Amino acid sequence: SQTIHQWPATLVQPVGSPLSLECTVEGTSNPNLYWYRQAAGRGLQLLFYSVGIGQISSEVPQNLSASRPQDRQFILSSKKLLLSDSGFYLCAWSVDSLSTDTQYFGPGTRLTVL
Amino acid sequence: GDSVTQMEGPVTLSEEAFLTINCTYTATGYPSLFWYVQYPGEGLQLLLKATKADDKGSNKGFEATYRKETTSFHLEKGSVQVSDSAVYFCALPSTSGTYKYIFGTGTRLKVLA
Repeated sequence: SQTIHQWPATLVQPVGSPLSLECTVEGTSNPNLYWYRQAAGRGLQLLFYSVGIGQISSEVPQNLSASRPQDRQFILSSKKLLLSDSGFYLCAWSVDSLSTDTQYFGPGTRLTVL
Repeated sequence: GDSVTQMEGPVTLSEEAFLTINCTYTATGYPSLFWYVQYPGEGLQLLLKATKADDKGSNKGFEATYRKETTSFHLEKGSVQVSDSAVYFCALPSTSGTYKYIFGTGTRLKVLA
């Protein structure tokens, strides 16, 4: 069966510090991968998605970046965090682009920038 | 373009009450439709889905029917429990040739004992 992992689960960082969040998927090959952010009490904001190694699509211009160094690994980074980067970060995967496809989510990382 | 509209929350119900959370969509063609649930502090979990018109998805006592005539996918449950308190998201995969998913803004449900 497929599983998705995210770490860390929680993170408190000062403004201006770097960020690295990691997401890995097990039990499948060549998944589509996604990063979402959820501000407190708000809906989901798609940040990045990737359909293959080294292929990253950015949805929102900001100080975040994403990379996919391996087939089942997706990393969210920042060189300098802003207060507005606080939120709940969710990684997700799907098998392919078929319209019947389901998207599966990880447990999330709660980031607090102070 | 594709869009999903959900009823505003929060929705507060007493235990054993009937639940309806409205969801309407705009899309090209007939994509699959999904309901996800998010419990406090957790990621989203797939609750149910329907892959074609008139399909009914069901899980854990929740149901939703894919209505192409009204472009709706309303979530219903006959008798809610305190443990159903969560945020519910309606969603569909983009039909514009990308790999994105379109989510509603979420509806928070609070069930009181």
